[in-house]
Amino acid sequence: TQLLEQSPQFLSIQEGENLTVYCNSSSVFSSLQWYRQEPGEGPVLLVTVVTGGEVKKLKRLTFQFGDARKDSSLHITAAQPGDTGLYLCAGARTNAGKSTFGDGTTLTVKP
Amino acid sequence: NAGVTQTPKFQVLKTGQSMTLQCAQDMNHEYMSWYRQDPGMGLRLIHYSVGAGITDQGEVPNGYNVSRSTTEDFPLRLLSAAPSQTSVYFCASSLAGSTGELFFGEGSRLTVL
Repeated sequence: TQLLEQSPQFLSIQEGENLTVYCNSSSVFSSLQWYRQEPGEGPVLLVTVVTGGEVKKLKRLTFQFGDARKDSSLHITAAQPGDTGLYLCAGARTNAGKSTFGDGTTLTVKP
Repeated sequence: NAGVTQTPKFQVLKTGQSMTLQCAQDMNHEYMSWYRQDPGMGLRLIHYSVGAGITDQGEVPNGYNVSRSTTEDFPLRLLSAAPSQTSVYFCASSLAGSTGELFFGEGSRLTVL
């Protein structure tokens, strides 16, 4: 059973466009993380959201956590080629020692 | 800052061979875990540990063994490699009491012929 579903799976856009990636869960998590992964490397943490309704901004990236703590979104404004990569959401429960990942969104930003 | 170190980065095995993927972290993290990543399937949890001497199975544990004798090391053993175990393997660590942020190694790409 896939607990975390990401959409879309693939996204190809032109430089300067805006985009939103969604992460939906059938379960409640204590926190949710977004990671970015480049080819040949491990995922790198972008942000953690903990509180329902929380919004966090990281330069041109805006992350939201749903009120019920079961879904999240990542919005990128004015995408740049350097944003190209695989974006992964993951849910964690307090002191569980493990995370559950979505299948990822592969983003390509064309110059 | 070494962080999480995985070895080897690449390995080719024949069906039936055994091997160990090594993982070491120098951040004094209590939690460590192993994931495999296959195309279009994100990261799937193989085994994890919440401390030395404590391990548990994840989503896809069959064909893999782990042990955690020290806080720093968490090796993953393939007992009898199968082509279905061809994948990229990632080791991760996290701090107990944190909100679950994982720190990953660079990955080990395994091909089983």
